[in-house]
Parts: sequence; C-alpha cells; structure tokens
Amino acid sequence: DIQMTQSPSSLSASVGDRVTITCRANQTITRFLNWYQQKPGKAPKVLIYAASTLQSGVPSRFSGSGSGTDFSLTISSLQPEDYAVYYCQQSHSVPLTFGPGTKVDI
Amino acid sequence: DVQLVESGGGLVQPGGSLRLSCAASGFTISDNEFNWVRQAPGKGLEWISHTSSSGSFMFYADSVKGRFTMSRDNAKNSLYLQMNDLKVEDTAIYYCARLNTILQVANYNWFDPWGQGTLVTVSS
Repeated sequence: DIQMTQSPSSLSASVGDRVTITCRANQTITRFLNWYQQKPGKAPKVLIYAASTLQSGVPSRFSGSGSGTDFSLTISSLQPEDYAVYYCQQSHSVPLTFGPGTKVDI
Repeated sequence: DVQLVESGGGLVQPGGSLRLSCAASGFTISDNEFNWVRQAPGKGLEWISHTSSSGSFMFYADSVKGRFTMSRDNAKNSLYLQMNDLKVEDTAIYYCARLNTILQVANYNWFDPWGQGTLVTVSS
C-alpha cells in the first residue's frame, strides 16, 4: 500500500498569509495526487487534481505542485473561509489512500 | 445540480448488519465509477470500496474485505453498501463519491462530488 504523510499536522496563520502544506508518498505516484478541503460538519471538496490542476470554481489563490513522491499545496493569501482541514490523496493505485490531514486555523 | 445523497445510517450492535444507500441526481450513474469513503469521529479519511462503471470490478480495503459489499442499481440511479459483521471500529460517517477521470498524460482521477455522509454507529 502507498502511505501518505503530510506536514505540518496543524498550523496557525493569519488572513493574508502565504501557507504551504506538504505531502509525501512512500513510493513514486508520478502526478496522481489530489488535494481536498474539509470544513467542520461538511464533506470534503476537491481543490486540486493531477498534482497541479485547479478544479473548476476553486479560487486561484490555491495552487499545487510536485511530482514523484513530494507535493505541496499553497494558499497564496489566506482568507477567512480557508480555515479547514486539508487532505492529500493518491490515485495511483488501490487501495486509494489519504494523508492524515493538516488543520489550518487562526 | 449534480448531487449524491446517502441514507441508511444508524445505531447497530456489534455483529449486526446495515445497508447504506447513495442516490444520485443530476446525472446518470451508469457511465461512472464510484467509491465509499469513511471518516471515524475526529479522524481522517479512509477509502473503503470502489466499483467500476459496469459493476464488474469491485475493490475493497483490507479493513472491510469479506464483510462489506458494494453494489449498484443503474435503473434506480443508486449505489449501495451492504455492511455485515459490523465492528465498533466501523463507527464513522460514510460518504459516497463519484470518481472523475480526465485523460492528460495519463488517466487522472479524483473524488467529486461527495455526498453529505451518513453516520453509522456500532455500539452495544
């Protein structure tokens, strides 16, 4: 199974800050990497797929990069509605696996 | 609107069974692949099952293999998850999610949309 790790597990940031979350796979997954945002009591929502493609309707302050085993999600200017938990997920092979999540709060 | 709505969750005793449903609207499920993903209280996301568009191929996480069975009824535009021999550690919110695919250099796929989830509690 492909194991996914994320860092940090949580972070505190202010509105307007640039925030970067990293995700690492324990084997190469080329660009089969997605990012999701989950707010309390809500289902996850896809932000980025194929490592760097922005999902339609997602604000351009979100961006993704990386390939192979190392990936990152960047929020260029944190907004109040961005406080949430962020998960990476590999779609390279079954079982599909998620990272443990990164909580972004004030 | 493209939407998935889960139902069927509830309280069940260890060893019991439950059948979850996921009704799709705004699109036809017959051309799509689907998954179930669960989230234990206060924990992260765990993929548990996948069905191909034809229903010919199913995959399961080791944690549920042999106990859970995913199925689909294209006529009813719905997916199902039959859960048997439930354990306390199966307590979670269960989400169904469509698998979207795009052909770029490869067939990349991701979960979207997700249903709102249905809570399953396994307790005596």
